[in-house]
Amino acid sequence: QSVLTQPPSASGTPGQRVTISCSGSSSNIGSNTVSWYQQLSGTAPKLLIYSNNQRPSGVPDRFSGSKSGTSASLAISGLQSEDEADYYCAAWDDSLNGVVFGGGTKLTVL
Amino acid sequence: EVQLVESGGGLVQPGRSLRLSCAASGFTFDDYAMHWVRQAPGKGLEWVSGISWNSGSLVYADSVKGRFTISRDNAKNSLYLQMNSLRAEDTALYYCAKDIAIAATGLLDYWGQGTLVTVSS
Repeated sequence: QSVLTQPPSASGTPGQRVTISCSGSSSNIGSNTVSWYQQLSGTAPKLLIYSNNQRPSGVPDRFSGSKSGTSASLAISGLQSEDEADYYCAAWDDSLNGVVFGGGTKLTVL
Repeated sequence: EVQLVESGGGLVQPGRSLRLSCAASGFTFDDYAMHWVRQAPGKGLEWVSGISWNSGSLVYADSVKGRFTISRDNAKNSLYLQMNSLRAEDTALYYCAKDIAIAATGLLDYWGQGTLVTVSS
């Protein structure tokens, strides 16, 4: 049981906009920033979004993040086949004094 | 180019020990906190432990507290994870990851490719 809650799956067709939610609590998302990671099949995770809505250099602006209260979301616009991957949200948890991850969302591009 | 290369994984019996290593290059190692994150086969990511730039702050997940010890050698640009009293549920791919700050924030901007630990009799 993950501390952060994500839907296990999401899907969309090429060109569509898809959002993935991440729900937490006051000790994690409510008081710290959220980051998102993309994990393509068989590869290591890659930082996609940090500080709720910032993109590292090289990440397309099709990817965006937002946070409100104890929830966050990742939006992917102009969906492409190469976006098919597992997506994880994460945040520092002040009560646990460590990093907590969501259970991951498997995105399928139909 | 930032590179993180893990080693030391393998097959180990329950109750035994294993030490993982992570060799870092391409950045000033002692300017950043470092972490271990694991992923059981077919499962999600689980943070294991983090260490500040000067080893002054060590943090652990409850699932490994008292059994695992994180350490670093800044002179060797290396991160370590000593794993004792291993259990079947510790079976996972263990990733080394770089933090964006000197203290552990959990914001991980670079990851290694992982080393597989299998705990089985």
